[in-house]
Amino acid sequence: DAMVIQNPRYQVTQFGKPVTLSCSQTLNHNVMYWYQQKSSQAPKLLFHYYDKDFNNEADTPDNFQSRRPNTSFCFLDIRSPGLGDAAMYLCATSIGPRGGPQETQYFGPGTRLLVL
Amino acid sequence: AQTVTQSQPEMSVQEAETVTLSCTYDTSENNYYLFWYKQPPSRQMILVIRQEAYKQQNATENRFSVNFQKAAKSFSLKISDSQLGDTAMYFCAFIIDDKIIFGKGTRLHILP
Repeated sequence: DAMVIQNPRYQVTQFGKPVTLSCSQTLNHNVMYWYQQKSSQAPKLLFHYYDKDFNNEADTPDNFQSRRPNTSFCFLDIRSPGLGDAAMYLCATSIGPRGGPQETQYFGPGTRLLVL
Repeated sequence: AQTVTQSQPEMSVQEAETVTLSCTYDTSENNYYLFWYKQPPSRQMILVIRQEAYKQQNATENRFSVNFQKAAKSFSLKISDSQLGDTAMYFCAFIIDDKIIFGKGTRLHILP
């Protein structure tokens, strides 16, 4: 089945130790998104890629970076995790381009990050 | 500013009852898409239903239906014959320019 896959489902890191979360998709969608979701809150968009075109949200900290080496994979790098970065990180995809039902976003199961 | 408001932070209903979750939004755009997403305790976000703003007919997916009032910028979700598996956080959202604007969510408990 076509899907959005996130590995690992749980990630533990130490304060200040770089960590990478991965997302892959078999949907062949053009757009991939990374969200941060803290407990009982709505997901917060960090950035998204439309193909190779990177779009950063204005309030996304510099500590968060992303890479998309090909259509199928997208990575979230947290350079120096702080305690406040502990959260669920959701990856999503959409067909694109802008306009129409192609904008529907499909979410992966998320990676829960714990910072010790 | 584009916003989505869900005025019910938490709701509980008995199994088999019908429940309506409210949502209002604000945008100056004329063409957009509205969504209800469900996030069960397992945390995977699942699309429940989608509505095109240019369509007057309300979307329906099995037990889930919406009441879309464009002029009032209202987009409520009705769940008929509620089931225990409907217990989840429900997010109302609309998409403009590839970006989702989420409401804060309504936590729905279906009681046995």
